[in-house]
Amino acid sequence: KQEVTQIPAALSVPEGENLVLNCSFTDSAIYNLQWFRQDPGKGLTSLLLIQSSQREQTSGRLNASLDKSSGRSTLYIAASQPGDSATYLCAPLGQGGSEKLVFGKGTKLTVNP
Amino acid sequence: NAGVTQTPKFQVLKTGQSMTLQCAQDMNHEYMSWYRQDPGMGLRLIHYSVGAGITDQGEVPNGYNVSRSTTEDFPLRLLSAAPSQTSVYFCASSYIRGAGEQYFGPGTRLTVT
Repeated sequence: KQEVTQIPAALSVPEGENLVLNCSFTDSAIYNLQWFRQDPGKGLTSLLLIQSSQREQTSGRLNASLDKSSGRSTLYIAASQPGDSATYLCAPLGQGGSEKLVFGKGTKLTVNP
Repeated sequence: NAGVTQTPKFQVLKTGQSMTLQCAQDMNHEYMSWYRQDPGMGLRLIHYSVGAGITDQGEVPNGYNVSRSTTEDFPLRLLSAAPSQTSVYFCASSYIRGAGEQYFGPGTRLTVT
């Protein structure tokens, strides 16, 4: 059964810092991996989808990398802003042909002005 | 496209009542799923469907029923609501079964008293 761990569980940084969020998963036979953000009381917003043939995906100040062999993905946020404050979730997709998705519990990020 | 829509946004039930949470998507996605999100537990899969007429159980299916009569709709039924079912419910869909990019609805906040 896939298990997903996100470290750290919570992170507080001053505005302007570059930061890295980590996601590790036990079953490396995945097809893709998706990162989301969730604002308090809101739904999930997709940030990046890293497909199996890619090792990185970039969108603006966000960069996500994927190392399937080691079961790890990282989300890099450059020049953090207070508006980046949210919970960030990762989800490995399609492990071993399974239709059942497992999410990490997320990293709660607070960026202080 | 409206994407994934969910109704209602909020609902209060009394113990023992039944209700149906509605989910619809207009992207012709074959894969649809239901999650519940509880503090400290993350997102947990309730039921999923890989196409019209095909459904299967996720991690926490007890107390919930689903059916998929059309590609667009995937309702979640609570047969006899219990306080333990107080949660936020999210519906998601994907073009490529469990391996594809996941699109989430805005959620339904359910309270059972």
